[in-house]
Amino acid sequence: EVQLVESGGGLVQPGRSLRLSCTASGYTLGDYPVSWFRQAPGRGLEWVGYIRIRSSGWTTEYAASVKGRFTVSRDDSENTAYLQMDSLKIEDTAVYYCSRALRINGDAFDVWGQGTMVTVSS
Amino acid sequence: EIVLTQSPGTLSLSPGESATLYCRASQSVFSDYLAWYQQKPGQAPRLLVYGASSRATGTPDRFSGSGSGTDFTLTISGLEPEDFAVYYCQQHGFSLWTFGQGTKVESK
Repeated sequence: EVQLVESGGGLVQPGRSLRLSCTASGYTLGDYPVSWFRQAPGRGLEWVGYIRIRSSGWTTEYAASVKGRFTVSRDDSENTAYLQMDSLKIEDTAVYYCSRALRINGDAFDVWGQGTMVTVSS
Repeated sequence: EIVLTQSPGTLSLSPGESATLYCRASQSVFSDYLAWYQQKPGQAPRLLVYGASSRATGTPDRFSGSGSGTDFTLTISGLEPEDFAVYYCQQHGFSLWTFGQGTKVESK
């Protein structure tokens, strides 16, 4: 079964850091771009960051709201992607999802993790 | 940044009725990179349609997407009980991904 499993969420104080992991099973993570999304309580979906595959240089893109604070990376040998979140703000509180791009162009996402909750609070 | 506006905010319908959901973009969506997702409470989103009109694997054929440029539609022909959920459109362009605010399809 193709699936993604996120881990690493929890309660963290403003200004601190947290790293989320996204582990793939049932397929080779390295063959697909990966994106991170988030959803604040009772709100809609927001794109956070994106990482391309090796043949595209593993290049990354970020939403303006997290650029300079969040970093997306991947370890294809471990079938795992990461979201490093630094200088966390209260408004970063959300469920964070990782997902697999359906195609190399990254236009849609067909496999999603179950989500991991990040709460930023003092 | 392309802004997506979905309408209506809420649709109240009965099982068996058809639903039409709209998604309007603030500028033309690149190469029809427009997708639709379904999300139920406590669950991750599920891809229904990509490329504006192609059904994802496992999407029932009562779901159909159409449109191009700035105006897109998701039609559900004959609502089943499991179709009551929130639906989001999403576009990709200029190395950014944006979502509409969602349309809730609720049981009347």
